[in-house]
Amino acid sequence: QVQLVQSGAEVKKSGASVKVSCKASGYTFTSYGISWVRQAPGQGLEWMGWISAYNGNTNYAQRLQGRVTMTTDTSTSTAYMELRSLRSDDTAVYYCARDLGTPEIWGQGTLVTVSS
Amino acid sequence: SYELTQPPSVSVSPGQTARITCSGDALPKKYAYWYQQKSGQAPVLVIYEDSKRPSGIPERFSGSSSGTMATLTISGAQVEDEADYYCYSTDSSGGVFGGGTKLTVL
Repeated sequence: QVQLVQSGAEVKKSGASVKVSCKASGYTFTSYGISWVRQAPGQGLEWMGWISAYNGNTNYAQRLQGRVTMTTDTSTSTAYMELRSLRSDDTAVYYCARDLGTPEIWGQGTLVTVSS
Repeated sequence: SYELTQPPSVSVSPGQTARITCSGDALPKKYAYWYQQKSGQAPVLVIYEDSKRPSGIPERFSGSSSGTMATLTISGAQVEDEADYYCYSTDSSGGVFGGGTKLTVL
């Protein structure tokens, strides 16, 4: 069955970087994109961006431009999201999702906590 | 930036019909999608391309779109449908989620 398994929880200091992984299985990785979505505690969903697993093309949310990088490793069917210059308001659960027009199948989420 | 607007909360009794709206200027030209998120869980897609239902989603979930408003309808809402619901669409910049609607069924 289609599954996206994300890396474990992270605690980071303000100003540091975090890299979250998302390992896909059960489908042809390069036939879909991967979206990243985050959710701050008690808040709604925020779209962060998208990457094509076919050719690596990306589209990032404007407010994260310059701080976020999304990549894929097709040899291991794994997507990565790196967020730099972390601030306290980056504390959130980060989700990856298989995307074919919309995020359709989601990973379990990764809690990233940013402390000062 | 593009926004999708949802009511913060909707409340119905079990067996009643729940309707959750989502308004956005681009909806006449762009599809709406709907997600259900229960507490502590990842979102689940319940409606795609305005009105299509993924396999495994109960028939009581339906969607429609007219003009600048999309609507998620849950016919005969069950207690287990209590959750947060988010609409999603796209614009020229990328994806955008509505603010979410908390559905209470009691």
